Amino acid sequence: AQKVTQAQTEISVVEKEDVTLDCVYETRDTTYYLFWYKQPPSGELVFLIRRNSFDEQNEISGRYSWNFQKSTSSFNFTITASQVVDSAVYFCALSEGNTGGFKTIFGAGTRLFVKA
Amino acid sequence: GAVVSQHPSRVICKSGTSVKIECRSLDFQATTMFWYRQFPKQSLMLMATSNEGSKATYEQGVEKDKFLINHASLTLSTLTVTSAHPEDSSFYICSARDETTGVGSYNSPLHFGNGTRLTVT
Repeated sequence: AQKVTQAQTEISVVEKEDVTLDCVYETRDTTYYLFWYKQPPSGELVFLIRRNSFDEQNEISGRYSWNFQKSTSSFNFTITASQVVDSAVYFCALSEGNTGGFKTIFGAGTRLFVKA
Repeated sequence: GAVVSQHPSRVICKSGTSVKIECRSLDFQATTMFWYRQFPKQSLMLMATSNEGSKATYEQGVEKDKFLINHASLTLSTLTVTSAHPEDSSFYICSARDETTGVGSYNSPLHFGNGTRLTVT
C-alpha cells in the first residue's frame, strides 16, 4: 500500500530563514513518482516538482531545492531565504505505476507561515 | 498550457438538493480525471477516478449513489452531489493529467481546477 507522511503539521519562520519540509513515503513498487505541490490561501494547487524512483539526483530551482533519498524513503523540500509569498500549505504526493492504478496519494500537508 | 477549469467556485444549497460540479480540461484531453475532497486544514482525499466512456472507480468508503460521476467526453467530467446534507459541505477539487507529456500517465503531474467550495445549509 502507498502512504505519504508529512510529520510537520505547521512551521513558522521569519522571512529570509531557510526551511525544510519533510516527506517520507511508503511503496511496494519499484517504479513510482514523487511530487510536491503548493496550495496558497487562494486554494488552487500548484505543481512544483516531480522525481522518478530511478533518479536520485537532487535538484535546485531558484530558492527551492529537493533532496531525494531512496535509502530513507524521503523526499525533502527546502526553501532558501524564505519570503512571505511562500506562506502556503505544501503537499508531498506519490504516484505508483504498477499497483497504484495511476492514482496520486497526498500527504497531510505542511502549513508554512513566513513572517515579515 | 494544461489548464483545468472547475465550475462553480462556490455554491450554497439547501439540504436535500443536488449540486453539479463541472471539470474541464481546456487545452488537453484527459481520459482520466480525479476528484478529491478536502476538509478544512486537511489533506486531499481521493474520492474517485473518472474514466471517459466508462464507469468511475470509487475509493473505499465513498458512496457511489451520493457522488455521481460522469465523464462523457475527453475534456469534461462532472460530479453531482445528490441529496446533499450539511456533512457534505467541503472543498471539492478535480484534477487531470496531460497525457501527452510523458511516457505512461502516472509520471505526469496533476493539473488542478480551482476547486468548488460547497456549503449545504
